[in-house]
Amino acid sequence: DQQVKQNSPSLSVQEGRISILNCDYTNSMFDYFLWYKKYPAEGPTFLISISSIKDKNEDGRFTVFLNKSAKHLSLHIVPSQPGDSAVYFCAATPGQGAQKLVFGQGTRLTINP
Amino acid sequence: GAVVSQHPSWVICKSGTSVKIECRSLDFQATTMFWYRQFPKQSLMLMATSNEGSKATYEQGVEKDKFLINHASLTLSTLTVTSAHPEDSSFYICSAGETGMRVEQYFGPGTRLTVT
Repeated sequence: DQQVKQNSPSLSVQEGRISILNCDYTNSMFDYFLWYKKYPAEGPTFLISISSIKDKNEDGRFTVFLNKSAKHLSLHIVPSQPGDSAVYFCAATPGQGAQKLVFGQGTRLTINP
Repeated sequence: GAVVSQHPSWVICKSGTSVKIECRSLDFQATTMFWYRQFPKQSLMLMATSNEGSKATYEQGVEKDKFLINHASLTLSTLTVTSAHPEDSSFYICSAGETGMRVEQYFGPGTRLTVT
């Protein structure tokens, strides 16, 4: 039962353009959503999060959008840079504090020069 | 801030031996830490939740007698893989969140375990 899904295993974007990574979830109990970036043989790095009471959160080049009715969130990276090439995971958790995260399968983003 | 370290970063051991992996929160206290494993080209699979001063909570299908977790202090959790087998070879990652209301978890760099 995959509660968090990233249906695109890979995405290729030209440098300078916008990268849009998508994530869908099924569990209505999820209250917080997070995006992580991961390089091979390293631990994930936290990028940005959003609470279910918001529909948008922005941090520099990264913006996360949440559509609760569609149970869908997306991460926008603009402009995309070569260093953004990595695997991106979305994750969800049911509440505040130290709760376990449910991860999607990940999307491999490649930024082409 | 919010740095999590893991030691060792990689380890090779023989079948039947035990291996201990340490996870430390360097600049914050973590009542709860989490242990994940990742198979090649797959997502992170939560193995267990490590609670300071109490027993760990294991996910379904994870053998608690094989993967021993100890969370003796607010900055250290250890995962011991007992009687290791080649199928235990994997990338093990821990995470920790600051005690309190924040949801962000910070991950260690991971430990590559190879069992020969």
